[in-house]
Amino acid sequence: QKEVEQNSGPLSVPEGAIASLNCTYSDRGSQSFFWYRQYSGKSPELIMSIYSNGDKEDGRFTAQLNKASQYVSLLIRDSQPSDSATYLCAGRYYGNNRLAFGKGNQVVVIP
Amino acid sequence: SQTIHQWPATLVQPVGSPLSLECTVEGTSNPNLYWYRQAAGRGLQLLFYSVGIGQISSEVPQNLSASRPQDRQFILSSKKLLLSDSGFYLCAWNRQSSYNSPLHFGNGTRLTVT
Repeated sequence: QKEVEQNSGPLSVPEGAIASLNCTYSDRGSQSFFWYRQYSGKSPELIMSIYSNGDKEDGRFTAQLNKASQYVSLLIRDSQPSDSATYLCAGRYYGNNRLAFGKGNQVVVIP
Repeated sequence: SQTIHQWPATLVQPVGSPLSLECTVEGTSNPNLYWYRQAAGRGLQLLFYSVGIGQISSEVPQNLSASRPQDRQFILSSKKLLLSDSGFYLCAWNRQSSYNSPLHFGNGTRLTVT
């Protein structure tokens, strides 16, 4: 079964620090990956998409994809209290309409 | 721009009652449509997805059903709710024919079955 795993527990970071989240996937046929942010009681919102090996930066967010090692990561620089949320990693496999979601990682930014 | 509408926002229903949740997408045509459920403290569970009118794929056998009567309308239904149906129901869409197209979620319906 194609899976996306986020194994880290809740992450607490001081305001202004870098938050680092990791995600691994089981199928080398994976094609595209997405990071979503979900505030408590709200729906997930897309923050980053990445399709090629390497880094992709958007503001304070950087997504990293390493297809050889089958992992995707998200870095949040200069973390703010408003970044406190659950971050979901998702991957789509070639020939599949569906996204496989990880269970999410909670991030708490401490002022 | 594209928008997705989902209603109602919250719903409290007794066990054994019927359910109908509706979702519509504006600003695009022929989208893929999805229903997800998120139980408290759990991940996203794909329930149904549709690539076109009348075309529904079920991911999890259960007492729920989905229909797509129009291109941009997706409905989640149940004839008799169970306690275990409680959760946060999310409708989502993405573009067809693009593996790089992310999912865009509606605001969700929080269902409590009592």
